Amino acid sequence: DQQVKQNSPSLSVQEGRISILNCDYTNSMFDYFLWYKKYPAEGPTFLISISSIKDKNEDGRFTVFLNKSAKHLSLHIVPSQPGDSAVYFCAATRSTQGAQKLVFGQGTRLTINP
Amino acid sequence: DTAVSQTPKYLVTQMGNDKSIKCEQNLGHDTMYWYKQDSKKFLKIMFSYNNKELIINETVPNRFSPKSPDKAHLNLHINSLELGDSAVYFCASLGPGGVQFFGPGTRLTVL
Repeated sequence: DQQVKQNSPSLSVQEGRISILNCDYTNSMFDYFLWYKKYPAEGPTFLISISSIKDKNEDGRFTVFLNKSAKHLSLHIVPSQPGDSAVYFCAATRSTQGAQKLVFGQGTRLTINP
Repeated sequence: DTAVSQTPKYLVTQMGNDKSIKCEQNLGHDTMYWYKQDSKKFLKIMFSYNNKELIINETVPNRFSPKSPDKAHLNLHINSLELGDSAVYFCASLGPGGVQFFGPGTRLTVL
């Protein structure tokens, strides 16, 4: 029962263009969403998050959009840079839980081509 | 100056052995986690401790036993290792704003 899904295992984008990574969730109780970035042989590092009371959050080149009715969120990176090549994980949680439990998608490998 | 560290980074062992993975965080966080990333690349939570107290225990075999001697450390002991235990294990701690900080991972290979 995969509650958070990233249906694209990989994505290839030209340097300077926009990268769009998608994530779908099934549990309507989730109210806080995060994106993590992971380089090989390293742990995931936090990138950006969004609460369900918002539909957009922007931080520099990174913007996350949330569509609650569709249970869908996306991460936009613009312009894409070679250093953005990594695996991106979407994660969701219920902030009202006593103990925070992140549910992760399976990740999308982003490759930025020069 | 590593925030969340794990040792060892790689662990190769035979089936049936007992092994431990150590985790330390110097961020002053109260809550720590263990995750397992399996061959399909899913990151799944195993355990969580808050200030040395177990608060999350997912459906994990009894062969896995976390131990938290203090809030900066959360170790994972695995008894009677099986082939299916081969995975990458990540430790994490919970910071402000609901952000978790992850260690570099321990790749466990059971032969």
